[in-house]
Amino acid sequence: DAGVIQSPRHEVTEMGQEVTLRCKPISGHNSLFWYRQTMMRGLELLIYFNNNVPIDDSGMPEDRFSAKMPNASFSTLKIQPSEPRDSAVYFCASSLTGGSNEKLLFGSGTQLSVL
Amino acid sequence: AQKVTQAQTEISVVEKEDVTLDCVYETRDTTYYLFWYKQPPSGELVFLIRRNSFDEQNEISGRYSWNFQKSTSSFNFTITASQVVDSAVYFCALTRGKIIFGKGTRLHILP
Repeated sequence: DAGVIQSPRHEVTEMGQEVTLRCKPISGHNSLFWYRQTMMRGLELLIYFNNNVPIDDSGMPEDRFSAKMPNASFSTLKIQPSEPRDSAVYFCASSLTGGSNEKLLFGSGTQLSVL
Repeated sequence: AQKVTQAQTEISVVEKEDVTLDCVYETRDTTYYLFWYKQPPSGELVFLIRRNSFDEQNEISGRYSWNFQKSTSSFNFTITASQVVDSAVYFCALTRGKIIFGKGTRLHILP
């Protein structure tokens, strides 16, 4: 099993540019989560999907952030326009059904730097 | 409200020493789950253990052990005979629907 795959590993962009982060969950997993990690705020849940449907997006910071899951094997997190305060590591994780008792399997993360 | 507190921001110990990472949680739910994850320098988060609120039995896995005490709302993690490879950030998490992570404890094992 290849695990959760995220791309790119690193992204450096200038303020105002659009950024798209990509995630491929583990095959057969029905739930997908996007997290943001910063020194100040730790790990924050941004949004999660179940069966490709967004269930809870209350953690999405503002309208500049959007996430989609067009099919069971692909999700994107887009920031438009990006700002320096968006600099963070963005993790994607998946689980079998999204139940509270399930462990999350994380990707390697995308290190985003907005200059 | 649900909350996870890892009061130890950073710990340094010399290799072969034992070290305990503290985790205190708050929840009003009677059914919940507790987790520990490890984040090594490479960056990815790795699942270590899961515990449900009805199972207070402590668990040992090799050099790792976990002490769950509902009376004190704690789920502490002990590494025995620490090794340099144990150097990482360790996160405690609580789930009841939503997953709440603590801020993490950065552990340095010095050779």
